[in-house]
Amino acid sequence: DIQMTQSPSSLSAYVGDRVTITCRASQSINRYLNWYQQKPGKAPKLLVYSASSLHSGVPSRFSGSGSVTDFTLTIASLQPEDFATYYCQQSYTTPQTFGQGTKVEVK
Amino acid sequence: QVTLRESGPALVKPTETLTLTCTFSGFSLSTSGMCVSWVRQPPGKALEWLALVDWDGDKYYSTSLKTRLTVSKDTSKNQVVLTMTNMDPVDTATYYCARIQYKYESWSAFDIWGQGTMVTVSS
Repeated sequence: DIQMTQSPSSLSAYVGDRVTITCRASQSINRYLNWYQQKPGKAPKLLVYSASSLHSGVPSRFSGSGSVTDFTLTIASLQPEDFATYYCQQSYTTPQTFGQGTKVEVK
Repeated sequence: QVTLRESGPALVKPTETLTLTCTFSGFSLSTSGMCVSWVRQPPGKALEWLALVDWDGDKYYSTSLKTRLTVSKDTSKNQVVLTMTNMDPVDTATYYCARIQYKYESWSAFDIWGQGTMVTVSS
């Protein structure tokens, strides 16, 4: 199975900060990397697919980059509604796998 | 509008078999490229991919759970059913179904999720 490793596991930030979360795959996944946002008690929501394509309705302050094994999710200017847990997921092959999550908390 | 909704028991006993149903609308699982997957999340923990069934009836399973899982589809009812045998307290989790598509010879992303159903395993 392909292992997905996110860093950091958690971070504290202020509203307005630029936030970067990284995700590393244990082998090449080309650009088949997706990012999700999850708030407590809610289902995950798709933010970015295919490494850098923004899902419909997602604010432009979110962006994704990377390829092969190393990927990044960036929030350009953190907003109050962005405090949540973020997961990466590879859809290169089955079994599909998720990262362990990055919790973004208010500082 | 695409929606998915999970249903099933909230409580099961250890060693029992869990059966969950995902009822969806807004798309058909007989349409080429359409797939439904199951994902679970233990309380306070990360998401874990479980299984996937595609429009052609092909099925894919988690490596660690494949001996306990069965996924099936009923296209006429717009339903996907997941069964998990020999339930254990560590299987306590929220179980989600989600739509994913296979196009251009690759998988896309989970674009629509159900609300999830919490399953507790306890005697």
